[in-house]
Amino acid sequence: AQTVTQSQPEMSVQEAETVTLSCTYDTSESDYYLFWYKQPPSRQMILVIRQEAYKQQNATENRFSVNFQKAAKSFSLKISDSQLGDAAMYFCAYLEYGNKLVFGAGTILRVKS
Amino acid sequence: EPEVTQTPSHQVTQMGQEVILRCVPISNHLYFYWYRQILGQKVEFLVSFYNNEISEKSEIFDDQFSVERPDGSNFTLKIRSTKLEDSAMYFCASMSGDLSSGNTIYFGEGSWLTVV
Repeated sequence: AQTVTQSQPEMSVQEAETVTLSCTYDTSESDYYLFWYKQPPSRQMILVIRQEAYKQQNATENRFSVNFQKAAKSFSLKISDSQLGDAAMYFCAYLEYGNKLVFGAGTILRVKS
Repeated sequence: EPEVTQTPSHQVTQMGQEVILRCVPISNHLYFYWYRQILGQKVEFLVSFYNNEISEKSEIFDDQFSVERPDGSNFTLKIRSTKLEDSAMYFCASMSGDLSSGNTIYFGEGSWLTVV
């Protein structure tokens, strides 16, 4: 079974600084998708960024980027120029085509002003 | 932008009562899901639904749970006899299944169920 591990229960970052959230996963598949979701206090699940495993180029979405290391099965999220609105729980998730998402335990991100 | 909508946003029910949570997935999506998140815990998969039948279910999804797509737009989760431990946020989600759109799963805002 696929597993997703987020080893940082909680992280803090100063406003305008950069922070990296870690994620590793375990799979025997070669084709899959990886996601970062943000869950603010409202508890809504908001898609932050997506990475296809067959693409070597790291995905970016404005201030959010990933460092995808397929051989190491690592998928970290970098948030640049952190803002107060970035404070939330961040979940890393793994998806095989047509199958269920498997989530990590989440990392609480606190942004200090 | 199309979105997954869920009702109710919050429901309080007596233990042993039946609950139906409703979802309208994004139109033209083919895969539908229910996930659950107990307060303070990770998001857990309950069930996936494709081509009018369950494609996969977790061990959480026992006989007290059922899903239905009664028409072309709604996707419901029924809990037959609620227990205290069913208190959680329930998320509906959908995915297009179109490779060109990247197999992204989109979530609704959740239905918060409190069993008393």
